[in-house]
Amino acid sequence: NAGVTQTPKFQVLKTGQSMTLQCAQDMNHNSMYWYRQDPGMGLRLIYYSASEGTTDKGEVPNGYNVSRLNKREFSLRLESAAPSQTSVYFCASSVLQNSPLHFGNGTRLTVT
Amino acid sequence: RKEVEQDPGPFNVPEGATVAFNCTYSNSASQSFFWYRQDCRKEPKLLMSVYSSGNEDGRFTAQLNRASQYISLLIRDSKLSDSATYLCVVNNAGNMLTFGGGTRLMVKP
Repeated sequence: NAGVTQTPKFQVLKTGQSMTLQCAQDMNHNSMYWYRQDPGMGLRLIYYSASEGTTDKGEVPNGYNVSRLNKREFSLRLESAAPSQTSVYFCASSVLQNSPLHFGNGTRLTVT
Repeated sequence: RKEVEQDPGPFNVPEGATVAFNCTYSNSASQSFFWYRQDCRKEPKLLMSVYSSGNEDGRFTAQLNRASQYISLLIRDSKLSDSATYLCVVNNAGNMLTFGGGTRLMVKP
């Protein structure tokens, strides 16, 4: 089992460009999440999907959109990247909300 | 007050030492508690869940103090490989898991 797979691993964007971060899990988990991690800020929740067909804002949703494409896949889109979105992005999944999270390897995004 | 707070450290300890970290949380209704370990430039990995009665996994012991609203992690007989950042995670009022900022542990030979 691959667990949680994120692509790409690294990305450099110019301000104003758009991109989609892909995430897929093969553990049949119901809930999926996108976090960002910045030095000194810890992990902060961007968006989550408690179950297939639902998405909700987390702590820092501005500048992002998400799609829960099916039970396996949860994508994060940056429509117009800004330098403040330079961060490490982690996708995670869990059986249910408030169950332990399983993380992907992360995407290191730099916006210049 | 932050929802979940941790001393960022670093805690510098010699091999074989016992070290303990605390994590305070603000929501008295929180029900789910976890400790995660994160190595440099890697993803967080679940270390252990924290149960009301306290629980132990080898050299690691986790405890919950609801009255004072904190969880703790005790590591006995520290190994060099225990060097990492330890993250506490608590569910908040919105039923979302919230991470503390992490406590960095460095175990020295």
